[in-house]
Amino acid sequence: QQQVKQSPQSLIVQKGGISIINCAYENTAFDYFPWYQQFPGKGPALLIAIRPDVSEKKEGRFTISFNKSAKQFSLHIMDSQPGDSATYFCAARSGGSNYKLTFGKGTLLTVNP
Amino acid sequence: NAGVTQTPKFQVLKTGQSMTLQCAQDMNHEYMSWYRQDPGMGLRLIHYSVGAGITDQGEVPNGYNVSRSTTEDFPLRLLSAAPSQTSVYFCASKDRASYNEQFFGPGTRLTVL
Repeated sequence: QQQVKQSPQSLIVQKGGISIINCAYENTAFDYFPWYQQFPGKGPALLIAIRPDVSEKKEGRFTISFNKSAKQFSLHIMDSQPGDSATYFCAARSGGSNYKLTFGKGTLLTVNP
Repeated sequence: NAGVTQTPKFQVLKTGQSMTLQCAQDMNHEYMSWYRQDPGMGLRLIHYSVGAGITDQGEVPNGYNVSRSTTEDFPLRLLSAAPSQTSVYFCASKDRASYNEQFFGPGTRLTVL
């Protein structure tokens, strides 16, 4: 049972383009939606996160769009750079004292120069 | 601060051997967890702990044991390694505040022959 579905599996974008990664969830108890960035041979690192009481959060070139009614959220990378080439994971967490994160399967982003 | 540290970085085992993957954090975080990462599968939670002396199972706990005798350390034990346990293992920690970041270690790449 996959609670967070992520697409696409891989994405190739030209330098300067917009990268878009989508995630959908089923559990309406989720109350925190982080995105993690992982470079080869490294552990994942938090990139940006959103709570369901807002529809959008922007940090620099990275934006999360959140649609609570559709149970979907997406990561937009504006002006994509070769240095953004990495694997991106969306995740979701239930509220309360449970700190467990449920991850999507990941998207391998390649930004060509 | 060293953050979250994991040892060893690489390990090769034969089927049936046992070993312990070490994880330590110096941020005084209450919550620690172990994930495994397999190609196309994302990160799956193995075990987690919300404090010293308290552990619980995640999504894929079979074949793994954990204990948490101190706040700093959270070792993962493989009692009888199987080829299906070939994976990259990540330890993570976070503090008690609900929306604070979960920090990941650099990972241990384990191969079971």
